[in-house]
Amino acid sequence: LAKTTQPISMDSYEGQEVNITCSHNNIATNDYITWYQQFPSQGPRFIIQGYKTKVTNEVASLFIPADRKSSTLSLPRVSLSDTAVYYCLVGASSNSGYALNFGKGTSLLVTP
Amino acid sequence: EAQVTQNPRYLITVTGKKLTVTCSQNMNHEYMSWYRQDPGLGLRQIYYSMNVEVTDKGDVPEGYKVSRKEKRNFPLILESPSPNQTSLYFCASSSFGGVTYEQYFGPGTRLTVT
Repeated sequence: LAKTTQPISMDSYEGQEVNITCSHNNIATNDYITWYQQFPSQGPRFIIQGYKTKVTNEVASLFIPADRKSSTLSLPRVSLSDTAVYYCLVGASSNSGYALNFGKGTSLLVTP
Repeated sequence: EAQVTQNPRYLITVTGKKLTVTCSQNMNHEYMSWYRQDPGLGLRQIYYSMNVEVTDKGDVPEGYKVSRKEKRNFPLILESPSPNQTSLYFCASSSFGGVTYEQYFGPGTRLTVT
């Protein structure tokens, strides 16, 4: 099961772009990279998923370099409501088993 | 409405008294999973199930049991709860076999064992 490493916390001001990087050196060939967002006392919510290069949706972008040993979640122009914990998840393929490891996540604080 | 439900939402119990937390999903998902969340430790997987009658251990299975007799239900059983199982528990489900593992989470069950 691929282990992930993320910063424990990050701070940002409203309106700025926030980039959260996740390291996953032993990612398996068939593993996808998935990011979740969690607000206090709520279950995590899916944000974005990718395999390689760049993926963009209405909420965020995900950048994955060619070696896939890291990934960066980009949140454009954050607002106060983006204050949450963000989890990087790698795995859930036949190569790495079907257990999922959320880790400790990155606590993002957005201030005015 | 597509959803994952958990019951109860809050539970206070005593050491050793068997309890079951129910989880049900209405999305016909194959994959279901239980997590516990503790301050400073993030979200840790307890057990997961890839389909009916197929379950496997996650990171922290000790002290827990699960069963998957029906596709929609995945109860978490604590045969003899202890205070170190005081935690916030989440159930989740997702479809299986495609490239996406977008998991849908329940609202959580806050368990206190005294």
